Amino acid sequence: AQKVTQAQTEISVVEKEDVTLDCVYETRDTTYYLFWYKQPPSGELVFLIRRNSFDEQNEISGRYSWNFQKSTSSFNFTITASQVVDSAVYFCALMNGGSNYKLTFGKGTLLTVNP
Amino acid sequence: SAVISQKPSRDICQRGTSLTIQCQVDSQVTMMFWYRQQPGQSLTLIATANQGSEATYESGFVIDKFPISRPNLTFSTLTVSNMSPEDSSIYLCSVAGTGDTEAFFGQGTRLTVV
Repeated sequence: AQKVTQAQTEISVVEKEDVTLDCVYETRDTTYYLFWYKQPPSGELVFLIRRNSFDEQNEISGRYSWNFQKSTSSFNFTITASQVVDSAVYFCALMNGGSNYKLTFGKGTLLTVNP
Repeated sequence: SAVISQKPSRDICQRGTSLTIQCQVDSQVTMMFWYRQQPGQSLTLIATANQGSEATYESGFVIDKFPISRPNLTFSTLTVSNMSPEDSSIYLCSVAGTGDTEAFFGQGTRLTVV
């Protein structure tokens, strides 16, 4: 069975601080995909990144960076120099390598960035 | 990436009534899904909308409560039937299989049942 754990329910930081959101996953598949989504208060789910199980390269996109470590089954997300607009719920999700494309979501982390 | 239009964006409904949510994609997609997000909770998959055949429901969800249609590769509907306040949630349409295992979501339908 697949499982995604986001142990941090809520995080509150002051603007310009760096913040890391943790994600730990469980799967028996050797091929799988990991995602991060952002859900602002308006409710839509914004795709941030997808990473496949064979690509452990870390990725940086502007102020966002992702650290994928298969050895610890983790896919952590760091926001550098956080801004108020980063305030949202962030979800980590797992898709298995079969053809069904279903996503298993973590419970989400509410990030509040205070001015 | 696929552009997904979901409507209505929000609605307030009386208990006992039904609401049909529409999901339109700007290109043909292999897979379409419906998720539910109860207040303060994560997303839970309701069902996979299959083109030309009955939807495949996840455990805990049944066709009588959540009938789904998918007449073609770009459109699907989810009906929430005989609603109760417990059905108040955000319902999200998702598409996948557009290429490279990406998965995208519509803007969601925020449903309140009173």
